[in-house]
Amino acid sequence: DGGITQSPKYLFRKEGQNVTLSCEQNLNHDAMYWYRQDPGQGLRLIYYSQIVNDFQKGDIAEGYSVSREKKESFPLTVTSAQKNPTAFYLCASTQGQHSNQPQHFGDGTRLSIL
Amino acid sequence: KQEVTQIPAALSVPEGENLVLNCSFTDSAIYNLQWFRQDPGKGLTSLLLIQSSQREQTSGRLNASLDKSSGRSTLYIAASQPGDSATYLCAVRTGANNLFFGTGTRLTVIP
Repeated sequence: DGGITQSPKYLFRKEGQNVTLSCEQNLNHDAMYWYRQDPGQGLRLIYYSQIVNDFQKGDIAEGYSVSREKKESFPLTVTSAQKNPTAFYLCASTQGQHSNQPQHFGDGTRLSIL
Repeated sequence: KQEVTQIPAALSVPEGENLVLNCSFTDSAIYNLQWFRQDPGKGLTSLLLIQSSQREQTSGRLNASLDKSSGRSTLYIAASQPGDSATYLCAVRTGANNLFFGTGTRLTVIP
């Protein structure tokens, strides 16, 4: 079955540590996205990528970094500069670069501070 | 900036009841609106996508309507079941890569 796989499901970060969240899709989608979800708030866009080797900052990119070396992979690194990283992180993808296609989501990674 | 509001934040209904979830948005210049379902600790599952030129979409017991000029959408669930219990989110797309989400309505269907 095609889909989006996020790993790990749970992740713990020590102070000063960088951690990387994995997102892999086998849907052959061009565009991929990272969102952050906090209790009582809507999803907020961190980064997005429309094609390989290109990505753009979203609304809350500070303290995060991404890469898009392969079409199917869009890892997110939460750096030590992100002072409030505890949240639920969701990866999504969309076919093509057009805005009329639905977004598909992975099952998320919950990041907590040790 | 686009703001998306979902009211109520939580709703409990007895099994079998028909129900309506509401979504409103401040800027009517949208490409489409998407309804999602989210189970606890899980990602989002796409339910329905309505293009800006459409008025409604249907899938099984679900029907979503869109009134772009008034900035409103509704998700109608017929004959609710306990398995429908989840958080329902709406999101509007205003550009190629900008999707604005509401905070969701948490639905509980009581057996």
